Amino acid sequence: EPEVTQTPSHQVTQMGQEVILRCVPISNHLYFYWYRQILGQKVEFLVSFYNNEISEKSEIFDDQFSVERPDGSNFTLKIRSTKLEDSAMYFCASRYHGTAQGYTFGSGTRLTVV
Amino acid sequence: QKEVEQNSGPLSVPEGAIASLNCTYSDRGSQSFFWYRQYSGKSPELIMSIYSNGDKEDGRFTAQLNKASQYVSLLIRDSQPSDSATYLCAVNIIQGAQKLVFGQGTRLTINP
Repeated sequence: EPEVTQTPSHQVTQMGQEVILRCVPISNHLYFYWYRQILGQKVEFLVSFYNNEISEKSEIFDDQFSVERPDGSNFTLKIRSTKLEDSAMYFCASRYHGTAQGYTFGSGTRLTVV
Repeated sequence: QKEVEQNSGPLSVPEGAIASLNCTYSDRGSQSFFWYRQYSGKSPELIMSIYSNGDKEDGRFTAQLNKASQYVSLLIRDSQPSDSATYLCAVNIIQGAQKLVFGQGTRLTINP
């Protein structure tokens, strides 16, 4: 069964450092998303991406965040200067044109900012 | 702000019994609804989707949708210890770009 692949599975970084989280969505999917889940809290929408541009972003997705699809397969989330409160699980998700098959989530990257 | 509300639990059910999970949502325009299962430290895994009013059955799982009441539920029959997880209700919001909005999840424990 096709999968959304995320790397790394766990990243520890110092406050103020830049991190890049990587995702390889399912190959024929068209819509790409980043979500985050702070420990013990709900899964929160960060950003959606379609046709090589951001289609929507949440209030959480401020100027410290950026996304890119540099080569047609990878989908990356960059956090420019990490804060302690950025510590969370980050999930990449993708879907095909409709929602009949739902959104498929990757296994996540646990980001720990120290 | 489009909201999805779930009882966070924990919900404790004996093995073999029926577990009933409930969800309400605020966006009347939503047409697609999903139940995801999330084990601790893992990613959400899609278990059911529902689009029309009524019931949809898949194995031991039945999703129920009532758009007039803005209510979605999930029934798990013959509950097994492996069903112990957090169940996330998610609603596909169509306002601008489409996205999933999640409830806070209901933690379900099946007791052997």
